[in-house]
Amino acid sequence: DGGITQSPKYLFRKEGQNVTLSCEQNLNHDAMYWYRQDPGQGLRLIYYSQIVNDFQKGDIAEGYSVSREKKESFPLTVTSAQKNPTAFYLCASSTRQQNNEQFFGPGTRLTVL
Amino acid sequence: GNSVTQMEGPVTLSEEAFLTINCTYTATGYPSLFWYVQYPGEGLQLLLKATKADDKGSNKGFEATYRKETTSFHLEKGSVQVSDSAVYFCALKVIQGAQKLVFGQGTRLTINP
Repeated sequence: DGGITQSPKYLFRKEGQNVTLSCEQNLNHDAMYWYRQDPGQGLRLIYYSQIVNDFQKGDIAEGYSVSREKKESFPLTVTSAQKNPTAFYLCASSTRQQNNEQFFGPGTRLTVL
Repeated sequence: GNSVTQMEGPVTLSEEAFLTINCTYTATGYPSLFWYVQYPGEGLQLLLKATKADDKGSNKGFEATYRKETTSFHLEKGSVQVSDSAVYFCALKVIQGAQKLVFGQGTRLTINP
């Protein structure tokens, strides 16, 4: 079955450590996205990539980094510079056609202790 | 800029009640509009979409009509079920430029039997 996988589902880290969240898709989509979701808030865009080896900052990129070395993969690193990293992180992908929808993964809940 | 405002939740209804969740937007250009649903602990799933004025999106008994004159995309369902309990997000995407979604804050819906 085609889809987006995120691992792990739950992640715990100590304050000051960098952590990398995985996102893989087998939908052959060019574009991939990372969102952050906090309780009672909508999703906020962290980074996005429209093609391999290219990515752009979203609305809240500070303290995060990404890479896009393969079409299928778009890992997100939460660095120690991120002030409030505890959140639910969602990865999405889409084609680059107009009016297309984004498909979402199941999410990773990161808790920094 | 682009923004989405949703009806504040939480919303609690009895089974078979009529549902309306209000959504209004501001946008530069001509956006596509989406409703996504999020079940507990999961990622988002597309519920329905509309890509131009007066379009009606529908799925699983839910409907929403793209109203350009009132800049609205209200979600409706004639008879809700317990299984409709979830968080609903309204979102827009401006066609020009990067394919980014802008989300409302979400509305938590609880249906009691």
